[in-house]
Amino acid sequence: DTGVSQDPRHKITKRGQNVTFRCDPISEHNRLYWYRQTLGQGPEFLTYFQNEAQLEKSRLLSDRFSAERPKGSFSTLEIQRTEQGDSAMYLCASSTRDWEDEAFFGQGTRLTVV
Amino acid sequence: GDSVTQMEGPVTLSEEAFLTINCTYTATGYPSLFWYVQYPGEGLQLLLKATKADDKGSNKGFEATYRKETTSFHLEKGSVQVSDSAVYFCALSDQETSGSRLTFGEGTQLTVNP
Repeated sequence: DTGVSQDPRHKITKRGQNVTFRCDPISEHNRLYWYRQTLGQGPEFLTYFQNEAQLEKSRLLSDRFSAERPKGSFSTLEIQRTEQGDSAMYLCASSTRDWEDEAFFGQGTRLTVV
Repeated sequence: GDSVTQMEGPVTLSEEAFLTINCTYTATGYPSLFWYVQYPGEGLQLLLKATKADDKGSNKGFEATYRKETTSFHLEKGSVQVSDSAVYFCALSDQETSGSRLTFGEGTQLTVNP
């Protein structure tokens, strides 16, 4: 088991472009989370999947953001028409069905919008 | 809503010094409490957790006790090492009010000098 994998690790994009990030969770984990972390702050919750169902979305997730988890395996997070304020580290985490179980985090995708 | 407040950082200590990082929380339900650690260049890792009042979480010489009366979960270590240098995040998960999401504090940067 290689843990939670995120791709790419770094992304630089021009304002207005669309970007897509991928997260591969630990294989037996059916819960998958996306968080956003800006410099000097703790991670902020964006959205959460149980298997392929997106069960919760933060108000931080504007209509420019969309997340999918087809077939309950990997997940993608797409940001359309990127803005400079979208520059952040995007973290993915996965866990088992038991909500008290540890969430394992990936190393994140650092997005820079120029 | 739920929130977590950590002591302002950064914290700089000499090796073998005693460490305390304060964490207080606000939650309407009965949350589980966590400390996560982020070493340079790595993803967030669970350090320890406590799921009910008066529980003590411990790992790698670190301890934290869930104090419901003071809504606190302070992290302590008796003798820090250079390898403990990292960013430490206090977090909570409240299944009743916020489902499986983690709410994080802003993080505390710890630097341990030899």
